[in-house]
Amino acid sequence: DGGITQSPKYLFRKEGQNVTLSCEQNLNHDAMYWYRQDPGQGLRLIYYSQIVNDFQKGDIAEGYSVSREKKESFPLTVTSAQKNPTAFYLCASSIGRGLGEQYFGPGTRLTVT
Amino acid sequence: AQTVTQSQPEMSVQEAETVTLSCTYDTSESDYYLFWYKQPPSRQMILVIRQEAYKQQNATENRFSVNFQKAAKSFSLKISDSQLGDAAMYFCALDGGATNKLIFGTGTLLAVQP
Repeated sequence: DGGITQSPKYLFRKEGQNVTLSCEQNLNHDAMYWYRQDPGQGLRLIYYSQIVNDFQKGDIAEGYSVSREKKESFPLTVTSAQKNPTAFYLCASSIGRGLGEQYFGPGTRLTVT
Repeated sequence: AQTVTQSQPEMSVQEAETVTLSCTYDTSESDYYLFWYKQPPSRQMILVIRQEAYKQQNATENRFSVNFQKAAKSFSLKISDSQLGDAAMYFCALDGGATNKLIFGTGTLLAVQP
């Protein structure tokens, strides 16, 4: 089955630690995205990548980093510089501009204490 | 700047009835796409329906249809014959840039009463 996987579903970390969230897709999509969702708010874009080895900051990139070494993978690192890291994180992918909608993974709930 | 506004934080509908969720947007692009996504309690984002701005005809997907008013920048979602499984958060989203970035509204929480 084609789709997007995110692991783990729930993640707990101590404050001051970096943590990496996994996102893998087997849809052969060029573009991948990371969103953050907080209660009462819509999704906000953290980073996106339209092609391997290239990525751009979204609206709330501070305190996050990404890499795109393979087409299938787009891991997100939440660094200790992120002031409010506890949130629900969603990964998405798409064929590209104007060619299709974004497909979402099941999400990772990160709790930092 | 591109924006998406959903002015109804919560809505309620009786099973088998019809409900309309509102969405307005702003963009300077002439070529763009609009989407409605559903997020059930599992939190998986599911695409409900999409609309290309250049198409005048309103999109429909089974019980789901939109009323796309381009001049008014309005994109409402109509759910007919509402079912208990339709209960979810619904997000309106705009794709109006060269990067296929989605701009989301704040969502409307839909409750379906049996």
